[in-house]
Amino acid sequence: EDQVTQSPEALRLQEGESSSLNCSYTVSGLRGLFWYRQDPGKGPEFLFTLYSAGEEKEKERLKATLTKKESFLHITAPKPEDSATYLCAVHWGTASKLTFGTGTRLQVTL
Amino acid sequence: DAGITQSPRYKITETGRQVTLMCHQTWSHSYMFWYRQDLGHGLRLIYYSAAADITDKGEVPDGYVVSRSKTENFPLTLESATRSQTSVYFCASSRLETQETQYFGPGTRLLVL
Repeated sequence: EDQVTQSPEALRLQEGESSSLNCSYTVSGLRGLFWYRQDPGKGPEFLFTLYSAGEEKEKERLKATLTKKESFLHITAPKPEDSATYLCAVHWGTASKLTFGTGTRLQVTL
Repeated sequence: DAGITQSPRYKITETGRQVTLMCHQTWSHSYMFWYRQDLGHGLRLIYYSAAADITDKGEVPDGYVVSRSKTENFPLTLESATRSQTSVYFCASSRLETQETQYFGPGTRLLVL
C-alpha cells in the first residue's frame, strides 16, 4: 500500500504558467512532511518542512501548504531553472525514518 | 565547507564482488542514513545510524552491511554484489531526530554486471 503518493508524475509548464504539485499521504501520526528538489545526477536538496495542518512556507516562487491528508507545492510564475524533480517525504509514527514519494518531474520551457 | 561527501561517485563491479561505498560528513550530525533510488520507486532506506556504534535496518537491508565507528563516517558494504543492487545510492545526515531536516550527499552510481 502506497503511503506517500505524488501527482502528477510529470508536468510540463511554460515559463510564467503557475501550477501545483500534490503529495498525498495515508500514514497516521504525521510528525513532519518534507519537500526536496532533485536535479539530474545530484542528491535531493532540502526545500521545506511542514509540521501541522494549516502550516505554509514560502521560498521565492515556491509555496508549500499542508492539510491533514496532503501537501501542495505551488509554483508561481515558474522559470526554466525551476525544472527538476520535486520529492516529498513524511516522517510518521515512532520510526526514525522518512517515507518518500516517487516524485514529480517538472519541466519549465520558454 | 565540504558538508556531506560520497565516494566513489561511479562504480562498476561484477556479480559476487564485495563493494564498499563511503560517506563522510563534516557537520558532526548524529544521524546518518543510506538510501537507494531506483526508477519507479521513491528513495528507499537501507540502513540508518543514530550515533557511532548504533545502527538499525531500514526498508531494504538485505545484502548490505553498515558500520559506524566514527560519527563522521558511515560506510555501506555490499558483501556479494548482485545485479539487483544496481542503483544510485545516497547518503544523508541529520542533526538530531528524523523530523530534523536530512541533508543528502551527491550520490554513488553503482552498476553490477
